[in-house]
Amino acid sequence: NAGVTQTPKFQVLKTGQSMTLQCAQDMNHNSMYWYRQDPGMGLRLIYYSASEGTTDKGEVPNGYNVSRLNKREFSLRLESAAPSQTSVYFCASTVKYNEQFFGPGTRLTVL
Amino acid sequence: QKEVEQNSGPLSVPEGAIASLNCTYSDRGSQSFFWYRQYSGKSPELIMSIYSNGDKEDGRFTAQLNKASQYVSLLIRDSQPSDSATYLCAVNAAGGSYIPTFGRGTSLIVHP
Repeated sequence: NAGVTQTPKFQVLKTGQSMTLQCAQDMNHNSMYWYRQDPGMGLRLIYYSASEGTTDKGEVPNGYNVSRLNKREFSLRLESAAPSQTSVYFCASTVKYNEQFFGPGTRLTVL
Repeated sequence: QKEVEQNSGPLSVPEGAIASLNCTYSDRGSQSFFWYRQYSGKSPELIMSIYSNGDKEDGRFTAQLNKASQYVSLLIRDSQPSDSATYLCAVNAAGGSYIPTFGRGTSLIVHP
C-alpha cells in the first residue's frame, strides 16, 4: 500500500516549456487535490476533483490544467511554464470531506 | 472569504515542556478541524482531527476545539526535539465541503 505517489520528485524547466505532474493513490479515495506551497504562503489549492469525472478550480488555477484519468490518477499540466510557477507541488487525496493524505511532493524550478 | 489564522512563530520551547499551538478561523459554520505536521522538505502528515467541542487526546498530543470562540489548539506534552516542525491547521466548512482551508503554519522549535 503505497498511499499517494507523485512523479517526478524534482524538475527543472525553461520558461515556455510544458510538463505534466503525475499523481496516483491506492487508497480507493474519491477526492483528489493539487496544491502548491511557496515560502510564507502556505498551501494554496490549484484544482481539485471531488469524484471521478469531475474537476473544479481552486484558489490559484491560472496557468494549469488537470485531468482525472480514473479514480486512482489525477494529473496536473503546465502548458507554458513561467518562473512564477516555481514551487513545491503536493497532491492529496481524501475519502470525502475528511483527513487528507499527501504525496511526497514535486519540487519544480522554472528558469 | 474563509480564513484560518496561525502565528507563524517560531515558537521555541525547551525539551520536556508543553508546546501550545493556536489557530483561529473565520467561518462560524466550520465542522471539521485538523492538525498536520510538516518537517522541513517533507509533505504534511495528519496528526490530529477533531469534530466536536472539547478535548481530544492521542498520546502526547491534545487537540482542543471551542466553536463559540472559533479557535482550535494543539498541545504537545513532553516536547521532544523530533517535534520540531511546522504545524498546519486546517478547517473544513459546513455542508460537506470538499475544500479545506489551511493556515500558513506555526514553526515549532524544541531545543535540548
